[in-house]
Amino acid sequence: EIVLTQSPGTLSLSPGERATLSCRASQSVSSNYLAWYQQKGGQAPRLLIYGASSRATGIPDRFSGSGSGTDFTLTISRLEPEDFAVYYCQQYHHYDTSPLTFGGGTKVEIK
Amino acid sequence: QVQLVQSGAEVKKPGASVKVSCKVSGYTLTELSMHWVRQAPGKGLEWMGGFDPEDGETIYAQKFQGRVTMTEDTSTDTAYMELSSLRSEDTAVYYCARDGVAPGIYFDSWGQGTLVTVSS
Repeated sequence: EIVLTQSPGTLSLSPGERATLSCRASQSVSSNYLAWYQQKGGQAPRLLIYGASSRATGIPDRFSGSGSGTDFTLTISRLEPEDFAVYYCQQYHHYDTSPLTFGGGTKVEIK
Repeated sequence: QVQLVQSGAEVKKPGASVKVSCKVSGYTLTELSMHWVRQAPGKGLEWMGGFDPEDGETIYAQKFQGRVTMTEDTSTDTAYMELSSLRSEDTAVYYCARDGVAPGIYFDSWGQGTLVTVSS
């Protein structure tokens, strides 16, 4: 199975700052089937980015995704108070024993 | 707009089984590909299985094979996830989630989650 490693584990930033989150895969992610989710305490995750760089419906343009192969990045251009949360990456690789895996998450906290 | 409403919290003893439901509204279940994801307390997300459009069948994470069964009742638009031989490590919030329409598998709608507690 493809293992996704997210870094850093915790990111301490102030509102208005830029956040850069990394997701590294143990092998190439097919067709860039890589997604990013945001999760706030006690809530279900929310899809932000799919296909590595496409924003989901209703997601503000301060969120952007980039990368290919094994290295992917989620960037939040200017942090709003509601952006402090945990972020997960997720990949899908059809021809794998466990075709879908999540990263361990990055917590973005207020500095 | 799809809505996924899950059944309520459950408390089970080790060795028992649990069946969680996920009622779909806004669409019919036949229009959707449903998956299940769980989250242990204070931990990350873990995919359990769901419908793979490339194979046209339900697939399970290797970790859960033999212990999980995912079914659907199209007459009531309800999806089910049953997990057997429960152990304390299965204590988690279980989510149903819909695969979106873009290529690949991504979850653009989620249920509210069902807490399953396994305790003697």
